[in-house]
Amino acid sequence: DTEVTQTPKHLVMGMTNKKSLKCEQHMGHRAMYWYKQKAKKPPELMFVYSYEKLSINESVPSRFSPECPNSSLLNLHLHALQPEDSALYLCASSQVSVTGTSGRKISEQYFGPGTRLTVT
Amino acid sequence: SQQGEEDPQALSIQEGENATMNCSYKTSINNLQWYRQNSGRGLVHLILIRSNEREKHSGRLRVTLDTSKKSSSLLITASRAADTASYFCATEPYNNNDMRFGAGTRLTVKP
Repeated sequence: DTEVTQTPKHLVMGMTNKKSLKCEQHMGHRAMYWYKQKAKKPPELMFVYSYEKLSINESVPSRFSPECPNSSLLNLHLHALQPEDSALYLCASSQVSVTGTSGRKISEQYFGPGTRLTVT
Repeated sequence: SQQGEEDPQALSIQEGENATMNCSYKTSINNLQWYRQNSGRGLVHLILIRSNEREKHSGRLRVTLDTSKKSSSLLITASRAADTASYFCATEPYNNNDMRFGAGTRLTVKP
């Protein structure tokens, strides 16, 4: 199974709502990622989990709260979002290979289809 | 912040022609990857080239890497209408474990 699944596909929420995005993979990957992508722009890294621990947080506002309950699941909890947070949210996973010289290296990432989020 | 920058931003060609996209980056890298994205969907990994490699092939794809110039190119030969998509380069910095995407090239292949 080389698939990363994301639910829901589409989400419309108000600024006072609380919602969660979900991501799942069964490839045994131990690194998982959240990206935000605005129209006609490249994906922007938000969070990286490595071995279920948050390893990178790219100064994302606290209204976005990631969670990695186990090695297959990644959630993104949303609360009090702003209209400018409307975007495509992409989840990805990859192996984390350890090299003998320069530490961890990350191989190619497998992306889910994304959740199209609209904040009204 | 973005690491790679692609050019051209948009490219329109006829089916059967070759398409070349370029990517430049700023810092030393472990590897460089190319991804494809169909409109509004997830990204698909195309090819990874390591910093000690100069050229790599995969089917109709050819990727080159010049670490002295901090640049890479992606060549798609004998293009098809189905190749229409956005193409992104992504770099993994040498002293970091995350990946940064370039601005992307929007390729249109006309039948």
